[in-house]
Amino acid sequence: GQQVMQIPQYQHVQEGEDFTTYCNSSTTLSNIQWYKQRPGGHPVFLIQLVKSGEVKKQKRLTFQFGEAKKNSSLHITATQTTDVGTYFCAPNSNSGYALNFGKGTSLLVTP
Amino acid sequence: KAGVTQTPRYLIKTRGQQVTLSCSPISGHRSVSWYQQTPGQGLQFLFEYFSETQRNKGNFPGRFSGRQFSNSRSEMNVSTLELGDSALYLCASSLWREGLGEQYFGPGTRLTVT
Repeated sequence: GQQVMQIPQYQHVQEGEDFTTYCNSSTTLSNIQWYKQRPGGHPVFLIQLVKSGEVKKQKRLTFQFGEAKKNSSLHITATQTTDVGTYFCAPNSNSGYALNFGKGTSLLVTP
Repeated sequence: KAGVTQTPRYLIKTRGQQVTLSCSPISGHRSVSWYQQTPGQGLQFLFEYFSETQRNKGNFPGRFSGRQFSNSRSEMNVSTLELGDSALYLCASSLWREGLGEQYFGPGTRLTVT
């Protein structure tokens, strides 16, 4: 499948600082989805990126898909305590019938 | 619209037993996927069903099986349980449009094997 590496594994920031998580693949991806999972909760869809070089924004969150479609990133500006959770990237498999989730980046935000 | 529901929410089983977990997708969603989540391995894909057909299976032993009914509800079964099967089992449903779209996850079933 389309395995991806997510870095960092953990990130601890002060409220108001920025945060970025990266998702890297050795192969070209057809598309990639991002999910957020709050502690004790289930993953919730954030966005899907499909086009090379695509950039999408959702309020303080900025998602990018690399030009070569081998990497993606999620950037949060001015983190808030509500941003706490684990962020996963998940590309579609070659078959299109599975999502291969990265290990995730756990974000802790302290006030 | 009601969300994805999973039953039971919690389960404790003994090694060697078998277990069946159930998932009801969002109305109109015909694709149902199952994932195993553990602290060490993260979210791992088990299988995906669409219109009662398994279209893809992850790298899990044959003890893990599933099925989907005509109303899109799905079940997964784990036979001969091992301690390492303790995990959160998540079901997700989605619409199908040239690939798996946005996955709507259920709350999961927490399985503990003793």
